[in-house]
Amino acid sequence: GEDVEQSLFLSVREGDSSVINCTYTDSSSTYLYWYKQEPGAGLQLLTYIFSNMDMKQDQRLTVLLNKKDKHLSLRIADTQTGDSAIYFCAESDDYKLSFGAGTTVTVRA
Amino acid sequence: DGGITQSPKYLFRKEGQNVTLSCEQNLNHDAMYWYRQDPGQGLRLIYYSQIVNDFQKGDIAEGYSVSREKKESFPLTVTSAQKNPTAFYLCASTPSGLGQTQHFGDGTRLSIL
Repeated sequence: GEDVEQSLFLSVREGDSSVINCTYTDSSSTYLYWYKQEPGAGLQLLTYIFSNMDMKQDQRLTVLLNKKDKHLSLRIADTQTGDSAIYFCAESDDYKLSFGAGTTVTVRA
Repeated sequence: DGGITQSPKYLFRKEGQNVTLSCEQNLNHDAMYWYRQDPGQGLRLIYYSQIVNDFQKGDIAEGYSVSREKKESFPLTVTSAQKNPTAFYLCASTPSGLGQTQHFGDGTRLSIL
């Protein structure tokens, strides 16, 4: 399968911006996704971006896509304690998704 | 409200025993998926089904079996052949086709007694 890579941990101060990075390998991916997982729960779709877009903004979330470098990032503005979770990057592959290992974001006061 | 329901939330298996995890959706979605989640490894695809009475193996299908007799149900059986079944199992569904976002259940945590 395709490889999706993310850093495993990010610590950020409350009120600062968080930036989570992801690299992927399948240049034919049509959509790229960011999911959020809180402890003991399933995955919640945060946002997604179509592969012909460079940027997408949705309230506090900004997704940047560099298709040439196969690099995707998620920026969370004004990070709150409720943003503490695991964040997964995923790329589409026909009818399947390939997920990264997840980035655990810890928000400190 | 529409959604995906997984049950039970916690499940314990004895050595040599088969167990079945339930996944039901009332979203009228065509495609359903089973993933296994281990710490630090993200989600790995076990099986998926794009339509009733049809399913395909994912990346780690060995030791698992599924059925898709009804559109709304996609149960996963963890057989005794799966030697390391302890994990968090997630079910997902999507309307159909490429690019449709997947909706997830809340998961079942399976442990070995």
